[in-house]
Amino acid sequence: EAGVVQSPRYKIIEKKQPVAFWCNPISGHNTLYWYLQNLGQGPELLIRYENEEAVDDSQLPKDRFSAERLKGVDSTLKIQPAELGDSAVYLCASSRGVSETQYFGPGTRLLVL
Amino acid sequence: QKEVEQNSGPLSVPEGAIASLNCTYSDRGSQSFFWYRQYSGKSPELIMFIYSNGDKEDGRFTAQLNKASQYVSLLIRDSQPSDSATYLCAVNRGTNAGKSTFGDGTTLTVKP
Repeated sequence: EAGVVQSPRYKIIEKKQPVAFWCNPISGHNTLYWYLQNLGQGPELLIRYENEEAVDDSQLPKDRFSAERLKGVDSTLKIQPAELGDSAVYLCASSRGVSETQYFGPGTRLLVL
Repeated sequence: QKEVEQNSGPLSVPEGAIASLNCTYSDRGSQSFFWYRQYSGKSPELIMFIYSNGDKEDGRFTAQLNKASQYVSLLIRDSQPSDSATYLCAVNRGTNAGKSTFGDGTTLTVKP
């Protein structure tokens, strides 16, 4: 079974530029999560999807962050405009259901200059 | 005060020893507790979860939960160099793993 796929793995951009991350969850996993992880800290949930519906986005900075999960499969997380403080690893995870084990993707490491 | 507290470490133990990792949480309504292992530069992977007070064993790993004292621990017996990683504790108000709050992790080094 293929794992969670994320791209790109690394991204370097200048501040104020837009950036997008893509996630392909494990086949059959209805629940998809986006996390932010700063160096030396644990992951922080940004948004959780049940199929195509965002059911928990309370931690998503909606002024600059947006996400979508069209057709309830792949998902995209966007930042526009990026700020220096957005430099972090963005992790995508998926699970069969909301109470099932989460499987994390390799993450996208973002550096904003 | 963070909702989930862990000693950042590093915790260093010799090969073959028992490594003890601790986690405290502030929300008394927490019901489910998870331990993830994260190797440097890699993503977290779930190694154990526990819902009830007491011990839960899985191979060399034992999770211990004490809800009255609001702490959960992970014991690793016969530690191996391959166990060297950061261990993240995650706490959840329900059995919904998706709403977990993570601690910042404890870095464990097992020396040969």
